[in-house]
Amino acid sequence: ETGVTQTPRHLVMGMTNKKSLKCEQHLGHNAMYWYKQSAKKPLELMFVYNFKEQTENNSVPSRFSPECPNSSHLFLHLHTLQPEDSALYLCASSGLAATDTQYFGPGTRLTVL
Amino acid sequence: AQRVTQPEKLLSVFKGAPVELKCNYSYSGSPELFWYVQYSRQRLQLLLRHISRESIKGFTADLNKGETSFHLKKPFAQEEDSAMYYCALSGRPTGANNLFFGTGTRLTVIP
Repeated sequence: ETGVTQTPRHLVMGMTNKKSLKCEQHLGHNAMYWYKQSAKKPLELMFVYNFKEQTENNSVPSRFSPECPNSSHLFLHLHTLQPEDSALYLCASSGLAATDTQYFGPGTRLTVL
Repeated sequence: AQRVTQPEKLLSVFKGAPVELKCNYSYSGSPELFWYVQYSRQRLQLLLRHISRESIKGFTADLNKGETSFHLKKPFAQEEDSAMYYCALSGRPTGANNLFFGTGTRLTVIP
């Protein structure tokens, strides 16, 4: 599959579990993003990475820990989550200009029990 | 602070009728505005952006700085236009573009 891929597509975890979401892009982009999409709320930007450096942390709780080992891969490490963290987590990538299109992955549907 | 408002959560129109999805924004600088669309069982994707001044799938959107609006319009709606539409604003002039999204409008085109 080309473009932006995300694994797993679905994840169910308990509040004491530790899990990771993975995102990979094959578009040669240098910016990558994590978004949270939950019911009744706008799509929320969580983290931005620019050339592997985190440039934005949108007041995200520390139980979410991003990692960007290179420009093509982005992880979101999860630990001691709460049920209200259940949502669709979207990854995106883009070029660096404000006018550049962001390309989204299919998302990981996370359920926290 | 940046803010994007889409006042309609749901919008239904008949096939062949004109459609307008409203978007208003709040931003102190010069914004870059986008419309993203999500069709059923597909991923979120760009529909159009104001800087391109293009018409995509018959849709157009004009940036009105006086009214701080970026409404999406199409003169004749088609069934395949049924989808979730998000207006988004980028507030960074350079560097990674941090997009701020509205809550979205679900458009249903009735045959």
